[in-house]
Amino acid sequence: AQSVTQLDSQVPVFEEAPVELRCNYSSSVSVYLFWYVQYPNQGLQLLLKYLSGSTLVKGINGFEAEFNKSQTSFHLRKPSVHISDTAEYFCAGTGYYGGATNKLIFGTGTLLAVQP
Amino acid sequence: DAGITQSPRHKVTETGTPVTLRCHQTENHRYMYWYRQDPGHGLRLIHYSYGVKDTDKGEVSDGYSVSRSKTEDFLLTLESATSSQTSVYFCAISEFPGELFFGEGSRLTVL
Repeated sequence: AQSVTQLDSQVPVFEEAPVELRCNYSSSVSVYLFWYVQYPNQGLQLLLKYLSGSTLVKGINGFEAEFNKSQTSFHLRKPSVHISDTAEYFCAGTGYYGGATNKLIFGTGTLLAVQP
Repeated sequence: DAGITQSPRHKVTETGTPVTLRCHQTENHRYMYWYRQDPGHGLRLIHYSYGVKDTDKGEVSDGYSVSRSKTEDFLLTLESATSSQTSVYFCAISEFPGELFFGEGSRLTVL
């Protein structure tokens, strides 16, 4: 079965510092990978996606992620965070799972806590 | 924002009672999903639909059923609610693989 693993449940960081949120996927997952963000009391929204092509993908709000096939990773980064980036971030992937590429499987989430 | 609404947004019910959550979209997207979100588990797929009357099970489908008689509506039913089904339920829609648009969530408490 495919899986997506987020290694950190919570990442505290000071404002204007860089941050990296880690995500690893199982090799059975096809290479459609995503990061979603959830602000308090809201639904999730798409931050960025990797479908094919360039392994460095840029998303909204200054975030970017790099697909690394050899390490089966898709880490999310931002060079300088703001208080408003405080949210929970979910890595997700799809794969050929019973023939359906639209089953999106999520990691358990990482809470990014930006401190002043 | 994608036109997707969930109802009810909050519900408190008792063990053993049936519960139906409704998801309505105005985007004409082909795929619709029901997820549940619990602390420490992230989002887990309950059921999804890839067309009218076409549905399939997700990771945690036991105790849940779904129906989709129209493109715009996807219903999630708990035939006999249990306390373990206390959760926040999210509906999502998509037209392209992995690119989901989520509703605001429905918070269900089973006493």
